[in-house]
Amino acid sequence: QKEVEQNSGPLSVPEGAIASLNCTYSDRGSQSFFWYRQYSGKSPELIMSIYSNGDKEDGRFTAQLNKASQYVSLLIRDSQPSDSATYLCAVLHASGGSYIPTFGRGTSLIVHP
Amino acid sequence: DTGVSQDPRHKITKRGQNVTFRCDPISEHNRLYWYRQTLGQGPEFLTYFQNEAQLEKSRLLSDRFSAERPKGSFSTLEIQRTEQGDSAMYLCASSLDPPPTGAKTFGSGTRLTVV
Repeated sequence: QKEVEQNSGPLSVPEGAIASLNCTYSDRGSQSFFWYRQYSGKSPELIMSIYSNGDKEDGRFTAQLNKASQYVSLLIRDSQPSDSATYLCAVLHASGGSYIPTFGRGTSLIVHP
Repeated sequence: DTGVSQDPRHKITKRGQNVTFRCDPISEHNRLYWYRQTLGQGPEFLTYFQNEAQLEKSRLLSDRFSAERPKGSFSTLEIQRTEQGDSAMYLCASSLDPPPTGAKTFGSGTRLTVV
């Protein structure tokens, strides 16, 4: 059973702060990693993907990957109240020649003014 | 690009009845995924298609669940003899593969309530 672990939170940060969201995964062979944002009552929205060790930046978002530690994180700089949502980590793992996206349970982020 | 469409948005059914959901993916996307999500949990993988071929089905999925994607376009997910435990949001997602990009675009989902 391939597992993706996230702290369910909530993580509460003040407006303007850096929010740090973490995710660990069990399948050492996983190659692709994704972060989704899900607002309450809405469906997930892909916001970041990362495939190589290191950092990948897109606007206020930075994804960090450490395959040796089987760890992926998402940093949100200058957090805004509109960033309040659940952030889902997903890992693409190989299964019988196919690639299956497996999701964590998500971390709830609250950005307070 | 009109996005991923799912129909219906909501479905209330009595226990023991059969239900069918439809998903229309983004037209150029060859991969189509079905997920189920309950409150406080992440999406749980059910099955996926590469064009019209169903390549993987979750071992957690009972035989009451079946999915099709005729002609590699829209897909249907049928649940037979529904149970209260089937109550959830059923999400469809699509992507263009290769390269493996995961579930790129989700539809709005179908919320199933079994009473």
